[in-house]
Amino acid sequence: ETGVTQSPTHLIKTRGQQVTLRCSSQSGHNTVSWYQQALGQGPQFIFQYYREEENGRGNFPPRFSGLQFPNYSSELNVNALELDDSALYLCASSLDLAFLPFQETQYFGPGTRLLVL
Amino acid sequence: GQQVMQIPQYQHVQEGEDFTTYCNSSTTLSNIQWYKQRPGGHPVFLIQLVKSGEVKKQKRLTFQFGEAKKNSSLHITATQTTDVGTYFCAPTQYDRGSTLGRLYFGRGTQLTVWP
Repeated sequence: ETGVTQSPTHLIKTRGQQVTLRCSSQSGHNTVSWYQQALGQGPQFIFQYYREEENGRGNFPPRFSGLQFPNYSSELNVNALELDDSALYLCASSLDLAFLPFQETQYFGPGTRLLVL
Repeated sequence: GQQVMQIPQYQHVQEGEDFTTYCNSSTTLSNIQWYKQRPGGHPVFLIQLVKSGEVKKQKRLTFQFGEAKKNSSLHITATQTTDVGTYFCAPTQYDRGSTLGRLYFGRGTQLTVWP
């Protein structure tokens, strides 16, 4: 196991609602990335947090936002849910290998399956 | 983000046959990672390739990184039913001046193994 946990495992929401998904990373992993995986697709990068600050963002609108906390936990918030937001949401944590750049590995949690009706 | 093409999209094999999936990029990659996702599961890290021409083996799995670092392959020898799943390649993209990367996944190759 990767030591990365996510909650809840499944969630059903209706269009227009807001949702908060949670991730707990391995101790010492100061980088967390969030991905959205639609059915039949590969995971798509949403954004990344490093030491509690956003460190890069993919092609997702501002209604996708996040937080990272000092205890290696993080949140993904999605406002004004749309039907197309139905997907598996994955968080992945990694260690900043400053002494070994460009070789860090990302470890994924089990994901949260979100269904928007 | 970096675009990679993965082929084939689907592969059906008889147990015991070999399987290969290919990952191609139009740009030079810093590194590439391979993941396996079982049906209903999440991506599980398999390997990372960093060096030009690198070849790594894990039991029946052989991973290669091209000399130009623009393509990669995963070969499974004598497939077993436990190999069923989707195999993704994912190069890491780095912003200028940063050592923190984000993964850009291909669409994956979905492997079915018939007993």
